[in-house]
Parts: sequence; C-alpha cells; structure tokens
Amino acid sequence: DTGVSQDPRHKITKRGQNVTFRCDPISEHNRLYWYRQTLGQGPEFLTYFQNEAQLEKSRLLSDRFSAERPKGSFSTLEIQRTEQGDSAMYLCASSWEYEQYFGPGTRLTVT
Amino acid sequence: QKEVEQNSGPLSVPEGAIASLNCTYSDRVSQSFFWYRQYSGKSPELIMSIYSNGDKEDGRFTAQLNKASQYVSLLIRDSQPSDSATYLCAEMGGATNKLIFGTGTLLAVQP
Repeated sequence: DTGVSQDPRHKITKRGQNVTFRCDPISEHNRLYWYRQTLGQGPEFLTYFQNEAQLEKSRLLSDRFSAERPKGSFSTLEIQRTEQGDSAMYLCASSWEYEQYFGPGTRLTVT
Repeated sequence: QKEVEQNSGPLSVPEGAIASLNCTYSDRVSQSFFWYRQYSGKSPELIMSIYSNGDKEDGRFTAQLNKASQYVSLLIRDSQPSDSATYLCAEMGGATNKLIFGTGTLLAVQP
C-alpha cells in the first residue's frame, strides 16, 4: 500500500479560473476527508465521505466548492471561479475508523 | 465554537532532553485525540492516537489524556534534531468524524 496520493502536487491558476484536485485514498479505507490549511494554521475540515456518500460539509465549503467520490473510490474537489483567498494547501485524508492518514497535499496558488 | 488550543512556541529543547507539548480542548464530548507531526512544507503525519484517560506509550513518544481537565499532552523522550517540526493536536467529537486541529506547536531540538 502506497498511502494516500493527491494530484497535482502544485497548481498555479489565475483568479476566476476553475481547478480540480484528485485524491486516491488508501485502498481499504472507506472514509475520505478534505481539509484546507493556510500558513500558520492547523488543517480546517471541508468535507467527509463514507464510501460514495458525502455525509458532512463545513460551512467553509461555499457554493464555489464541490466534492465528489464516485463509486466510493477516488475523490475530486473542484473550486469554481477561484479567488486569491482560496490559496492554500488542500489536504486529503482517509481512514478505516478513527485514525486519519493524510496525503501529500495540493498547494494552490491563485494569482 | 469547539476549540483546540496549543502554545505556538517555538519550544526549544537540547538534544537528548524530554520535550513536553500541551493541548487543551473545549468540547466535553470529545472522545478521540491525535498528535500529528508536520515538517515545513509537508503534510501532517499521524504519530499518536489516544482514546482513554491515562498514558499511552509508543517508542520515544508518550501521549497523556485527562478528560476531566480537558487536557492532552505529548512527551518526546531523548529528543533528536530530526524531531524538529510543528506538532498538531487534534480532537474528534462524539457525533462527527471530522478532526478539529490546534494551530500547532513548533518544536526546535538544538544539537
């Protein structure tokens, strides 16, 4: 098992563009989470899937953000009409029960 | 608002000493607690989980939980320069699977 993987690792985009990130969880994990982390802060929860069902969304997840996990495997996080305030590290984690393991993250820079 | 509080540091200890990292939380129903290590520019790495009152030891690491005082700590024995990182404390509430993180404590181990 190679752990949680995320793609791309870095993304630079212009304000107003749409971006999509992908996360592949550890294969036997049925739970998948998205977090966002800015400099000097701990990760902030965005959303959570159990299998293909999205069970919880943070109010941080505005209408411009959408996440999917088709067939309960990989997940995508899309940000539409990006803003400079969206610049952050986007982290994906997966778990079987309580212990969450993070991927390497996608660093988004909005110019 | 549920909160996890940590001293941001930096906490500086000499090589070979015991590093003591502390965390308090506000949600009395929190059941599960985690310590993550995060090197600069990298994603968080799970190092300890603790679910019941008392101590839990794993190698050079000991996590301590006191639910009555709403206090979690992490002790690192025989600190090494490679332990220099930000240590994030996180709690998981009873009815949700999301992690709530503190802002982290920066540990610097001096050779």
